[in-house]
Amino acid sequence: AQSVAQPEDQVKVAEGNPLTVKCTYSVSGNPYLFWYVQYPNRGLQFLLKYITGDNLVKGSYGFEAEFNKSQTSFHLKKPSALVSDSALYFCAVRDMVDSSYKLIFGSGTRLLVRP
Amino acid sequence: NAGVTQTPKFQVLKTGQSMTLQCAQDMNHEYMSWYRQDPGMGLRLIHYSVGAGITDQGEVPNGYNVSRSTTEDFPLRLLSAAPSQTSVYFCASSPRGGLREKLFFGSGTQLSVL
Repeated sequence: AQSVAQPEDQVKVAEGNPLTVKCTYSVSGNPYLFWYVQYPNRGLQFLLKYITGDNLVKGSYGFEAEFNKSQTSFHLKKPSALVSDSALYFCAVRDMVDSSYKLIFGSGTRLLVRP
Repeated sequence: NAGVTQTPKFQVLKTGQSMTLQCAQDMNHEYMSWYRQDPGMGLRLIHYSVGAGITDQGEVPNGYNVSRSTTEDFPLRLLSAAPSQTSVYFCASSPRGGLREKLFFGSGTQLSVL
């Protein structure tokens, strides 16, 4: 079965510093991986996806994610954090059991950016 | 476009009551789904639909029913509410084809079952 794990419940960084939010995956076959962000009292918003191709994927709001097949990881990164980046971040993988395009989400990581 | 609209935003039920959470999208999306969000557990898929007249169960379907009579609407029915159904519920939709994994979410319904 496909799954993703987010090992950190919370990540704290200072504004201006680089940030990394970790995600590891377990899939059979080639992974389809995604990052979503949830701001307070809002639904999730799509950030980026990896299907195939370059291991570094660029997304919205200056975020990027690095796909590493040998480490089965898909970490979310940003070179310089903003206070407004504070939110809940979810990694997700597409369920490849059938053609229903279901997404399986991780448990989420809360990012806190200090001024 | 309004996107994905969920109503109500908040609801309190007593155990055993039934209710319907409404979800509508105006983007002509083929795929619609319902998730529940619980602390430390991320989002779990309840039911989904790949088009009008077609629905299927997700990871946690027990206690919930859905129907998809039109492309726009995908209501979620709680048959007999239980405290374990206290959660935040999100409806999401996506277009067909290569963008299907780009889900558009509503703003959520916070449900408390006493």
